[in-house]
Order: sequence, then C-alpha cells, then structure tokens
Amino acid sequence: EPEVTQTPSHQVTQMGQEVILRCVPISNHLYFYWYRQILGQKVEFLVSFYNNEISEKSEIFDDQFSVERPDGSNFTLKIRSTKLEDSAMYFCASSTGDGETQYFGPGTRLLVL
Amino acid sequence: AQRVTQPEKLLSVFKGAPVELKCNYSYSGSPELFWYVQYSRQRLQLLLRHISRESIKGFTADLNKGETSFHLKKPFAQEEDSAMYYCALNRVNSGNTPLVFGKGTRLSVIA
Repeated sequence: EPEVTQTPSHQVTQMGQEVILRCVPISNHLYFYWYRQILGQKVEFLVSFYNNEISEKSEIFDDQFSVERPDGSNFTLKIRSTKLEDSAMYFCASSTGDGETQYFGPGTRLLVL
Repeated sequence: AQRVTQPEKLLSVFKGAPVELKCNYSYSGSPELFWYVQYSRQRLQLLLRHISRESIKGFTADLNKGETSFHLKKPFAQEEDSAMYYCALNRVNSGNTPLVFGKGTRLSVIA
C-alpha cells in the first residue's frame, strides 16, 4: 500500500539556520498539507497546497516558512531562520481530493538549539 | 472558528471493558468528523470518518449534531487498542481544507 514518506526522520539545527523538510506524497494525490505538533500539544495545521499554489495557511505559517513542489514527487517545507519555538514534529499529509481522507507521513522531528 | 475538544488526556480501562473516548466540536457550518489513531512509533492513520458509518477494529462513532459530539466507542477493549486517539474536524465543501485536531486521548488497556 502506498504511503507518504518524509525525510529526514530527525533533524537538529542551530537557531537562525535554514532547514528544509522533505515529503513524498502518495503518487496520485493532488492535495498536500503540512502540520506540526509541539511536544505535549495538539497537531496544528500550517499550510495546504494544490495546483502549485498555497490554498490556505494558518497564522503560524509566517514569512519564515515557505513550501514548494520542486518536481513531480517532492513537497518541501522550508524554514528560513529557525527559532527555538520551531522545535516540533512536522507531519506531511496528502489526499486525492477536497474533503477526502488525508494520509500522513511518519513525521520529521526538528530540534532547534 | 472551528474547535475540537477531547476532555480526557488519558483513559485507562481493563481488557474486555467498554471504551468511550469523548470528542466535542464547535463549528457553525456542516462538519466532517474523523478519528485518527497513532500506535506507538507509528504514523497517524485514519480510524474512521462519520460519513462512512463503518465499524473499524470494533470501534464506532456517531455524529450527534444536537450535542455537537462524535464520541468513539468500543464494547470490549483489547490490549492492542492502546494508542493515542485524535478527533479531527474538516469543513465540508470549503476547498482544500485543513483538519482541526483535538489534543488527543491516550488510551491504555490494562491486561
């Protein structure tokens, strides 16, 4: 059964550094999402992406964040200048269509020191 | 704004006992409700969604619009049900909409 994959599984970075989190959605899916979960807190929506553009973004998704689909398979989340409070588990998800089931990747645990 | 509330952070039951994980939501429009489960060291995976009205692994959930609830139930808990359970809401017919999650309930089934 096809799955969403994410790399790396863990990343440690220094405050102020740029990080890129990578996701490979399920191949026939057209809708892509990033969520994050700070330790002990709820899963929070960051951004949704369809047809090569952002559909919706949350207040968390400020100018430090960007998303890109550089090719036909990858979907990336870039954090330009990481802050301590960016430390979290970042989940990518994809779905076939609007309102359809979202399938989640295993997550990338980001630690900003 | 949409909100999902799961009042119990941790629920411990004995094997064979009934389980009910509570979920209440707040949304003025027409919602779609989901239960996701996360077993130890695994990804979030869909357990069930209200429109399918299925029973998955013995779990059921009924959407009660009057009480704005979507409680997850199972008549007889099994040890393998121990996991983190998240209730989530999606807006219906509103484009590429995100899921709004509750904080989750950790279910521990004791042998």
